[in-house]
Amino acid sequence: EDKVVQSPLSLVVHEGDTVTLNCSYEVTNFRSLLWYKQEKKAPTFLFMLTSSGIEKKSGRLSSILDKKELFSILNITATQTGDSAVYLCAVEPNTGNQFYFGTGTSLTVIP
Amino acid sequence: GAGVSQTPSNKVTEKGKYVELRCDPISGHTALYWYRQSLGQGPEFLIYFQGTGAADDSGLPNDRFFAVRPEGSVSTLKIQRTERGDSAVYLCASSLGGGGALNTQYFGPGTRLTVL
Repeated sequence: EDKVVQSPLSLVVHEGDTVTLNCSYEVTNFRSLLWYKQEKKAPTFLFMLTSSGIEKKSGRLSSILDKKELFSILNITATQTGDSAVYLCAVEPNTGNQFYFGTGTSLTVIP
Repeated sequence: GAGVSQTPSNKVTEKGKYVELRCDPISGHTALYWYRQSLGQGPEFLIYFQGTGAADDSGLPNDRFFAVRPEGSVSTLKIQRTERGDSAVYLCASSLGGGGALNTQYFGPGTRLTVL
């Protein structure tokens, strides 16, 4: 059965800390892995990863994929209170079009 | 508008009633998806449209759920004889379709459905 597992489930840090969020997957015929940030309702797109070892970076956020070990990490450096959100990992198989989502990691950044 | 829009933002109904949830995708996006998200969970796939046709409805939980997209743009998710367990946030997403980055899904703000 296809599944996506995220850890930790929740995390509380202080402003300025660096955090690493984990996503492991078991999905048949992997095509891509995506990270989303969900603050209230709408998940907003962060990164799409398709190749191992190539880091995607946007400001203080970065992510990398390991297709051999079947996981991805999302790093956030110098965290700010505005980073508080649920971070969702989704995997897209190359058969069909549905994305498989993890349960998310709830990040709280304390001033 | 530039993004995916959904209406209503909140819907409260009584058990047994019929509800319709609307999604207006990003202009030009041929692919449209419906997800359901319960508290503390990730989005759960319901149905995917490519153009006007439902290409994959394997996620619909039972025959009380139905969705249409008659003109290949706006979609409506219909739930008959609502049950308390249907309470959730219903998310819609759209994409350009095709492979690679073209399939990145962009989400709307969702409709929070509460069945009393």
